[in-house]
Amino acid sequence: EPEVTQTPSHQVTQMGQEVILRCVPISNHLYFYWYRQILGQKVEFLVSFYNNEISEKSEIFDDQFSVERPDGSNFTLKIRSTKLEDSAMYFCASSPRPFSGNTIYFGEGSWLTVV
Amino acid sequence: AQTVTQSQPEMSVQEAETVTLSCTYDTSESDYYLFWYKQPPSRQMILVIRQEAYKQQNATENRFSVNFQKAAKSFSLKISDSQLGDAAMYFCAYIGGSQGNLIFGKGTKLSVKP
Repeated sequence: EPEVTQTPSHQVTQMGQEVILRCVPISNHLYFYWYRQILGQKVEFLVSFYNNEISEKSEIFDDQFSVERPDGSNFTLKIRSTKLEDSAMYFCASSPRPFSGNTIYFGEGSWLTVV
Repeated sequence: AQTVTQSQPEMSVQEAETVTLSCTYDTSESDYYLFWYKQPPSRQMILVIRQEAYKQQNATENRFSVNFQKAAKSFSLKISDSQLGDAAMYFCAYIGGSQGNLIFGKGTKLSVKP
């Protein structure tokens, strides 16, 4: 069964460093997402991406964050100058088409620890 | 703004018994979709079941079924014949209207006792 894959599964970084989280969405999907889950809290939407541009973003997704689809398969989340509060599980997700009605499939997550 | 509320932070069930997890939501949209996701200790988000708001029939997937009450904006998950592997965090989620992203509840931690 096709699945969303994420790398790394766990990364520890020093405060102030840049981090890139990578995702390979399901191959025929067109709509990509990043979500975040701080330990013990609910999953929060960060950004969605469709047709090579950001479709929606939450207030969490400030100038510190950026997303990119550098080639036909990868979808990346870059966090510039990481802060302690960026420590969280970051989930990549994809769906076949945009907007409601389509199931969103999640990757296994990338656990980011900022020290 | 749409919201999803899960009022049970933790639930417990005996193996082989049935348990119901509650979820309510608030929306002004008429076209939307509801989901239950399971998050085991590995923290992966696994889709359990989905319900289209325009369908009156409750969705079922093997031992998992929902009780969808559209007028009451309620979407509960029933797990029958609970198994040890069902122990996990369960999140209710909503997506609807022109919105392209899921809105999650805070989750219910389910424990299964042998």
